[in-house]
Amino acid sequence: ETGVTQSPTHLIKTRGQQVTLRCSSQSGHNTVSWYQQALGQGPQFIFQYYREEENGRGNFPPRFSGLQFPNYSSELNVNALELDDSALYLCASSLQKSTDTQYFGPGTRLTVL
Amino acid sequence: GQQVMQIPQYQHVQEGEDFTTYCNSSTTLSNIQWYKQRPGGHPVFLIQLVKSGEVKKQKRLTFQFGEAKKNSSLHITATQTTDVGTYFCGSRRALTFGSGTRLQVQP
Repeated sequence: ETGVTQSPTHLIKTRGQQVTLRCSSQSGHNTVSWYQQALGQGPQFIFQYYREEENGRGNFPPRFSGLQFPNYSSELNVNALELDDSALYLCASSLQKSTDTQYFGPGTRLTVL
Repeated sequence: GQQVMQIPQYQHVQEGEDFTTYCNSSTTLSNIQWYKQRPGGHPVFLIQLVKSGEVKKQKRLTFQFGEAKKNSSLHITATQTTDVGTYFCGSRRALTFGSGTRLQVQP
């Protein structure tokens, strides 16, 4: 196991609702990245947080937002959910911003109806 | 932006056969990482390559980074059923992943 935990494991929402997903990093890791993985696709980078500040963002609209807390845990918030937001959401923690191994959590499976 | 393409998308082999997946980038990569994702699981880090022409081995797995640092390959010798999963390459610095190669091994 990587030591990275995510909650909840599964979630069902309806279009237009808002959702918050949570990630607890591996001990000592100050960087967390969030990814969206649609079925049969590779993980798509949403954004990265380093020491509580956003440190890069992928091609996702502003309704995808995040937070990183002083203990380096993190949240991903998605507003105004759309059907296409249905996916596995993965967080990954690492010791350094861009050079170190990423350790992935088990993911949250979000279904939007 | 940077794109990483993987081929093939899917490969079905008999147990004992070899398997290779290729990763190609439109731009030069500072490093490349390989991950394995079992069905229903999450990506698990396998290895990172940094140097031009680098070759690394992990038991039956051989990883190569191209001389131009724009492509990479993963070769599995004598596949086993435990090798089943999707193999992703990714550029750590660009936080970009390929679409993966799904490997199915027939016992």
